[in-house]
Amino acid sequence: GAGVSQSPSNKVTEKGKDVELRCDPISGHTALYWYRQSLGQGLEFLIYFQGNSAPDKSGLPSDRFSAERTGGSVSTLTIQRTQQEDSAVYLCASSLAWRDTQYFGPGTRLTVL
Amino acid sequence: RKEVEQDPGPFNVPEGATVAFNCTYSNSASQSFFWYRQDCRKEPKLLMSVYSSGNEDGRFTAQLNRASQYISLLIRDSKLSDSATYLCVVNPNNNAGNMLTFGGGTRLMVKP
Repeated sequence: GAGVSQSPSNKVTEKGKDVELRCDPISGHTALYWYRQSLGQGLEFLIYFQGNSAPDKSGLPSDRFSAERTGGSVSTLTIQRTQQEDSAVYLCASSLAWRDTQYFGPGTRLTVL
Repeated sequence: RKEVEQDPGPFNVPEGATVAFNCTYSNSASQSFFWYRQDCRKEPKLLMSVYSSGNEDGRFTAQLNRASQYISLLIRDSKLSDSATYLCVVNPNNNAGNMLTFGGGTRLMVKP
């Protein structure tokens, strides 16, 4: 079956612009997670959704970051006024239920010039 | 101190060798443990879960030592295709949810 998909696969933007990253989880998966992997760094948890709600937003790096999920499916991660330190690979994962194995998408490589 | 620590390597081994990676975690209340594999510029993929009793999947053996808070992965008869970064992953399963805490990864390079 189809895995987690993310778009765009690559995004180059100028400092100060807003960007929107999209994640399509595996069909039927109720839990969705966003992570970030900076160059040479480990994966960093950002936010997760159980259904459409995000119980814990403490992992978001700043108030320029926000995420939403509608219809219990697609999620978007929005970064406003991008900064160079936002450059990273943004990975989305989903799981059938919140304690189940997480499956990762291919990621969106964001470069802020 | 990082929540999950791994030797970054790289571990350079010949084909057929046995190689072992260790990882330590700081949260003693952690409940679930995993090894993920990540190929260059690819997403992480679950390699295996780690259970207290230890578990084996073909050439791969994972062990958990709760008392010492470390996790190990043993790869026997290494193949060229085993070359990748191996991520030690801990799930605290706390009230905050199911987010995974990743180690920095251990890079393995298997050579002919």
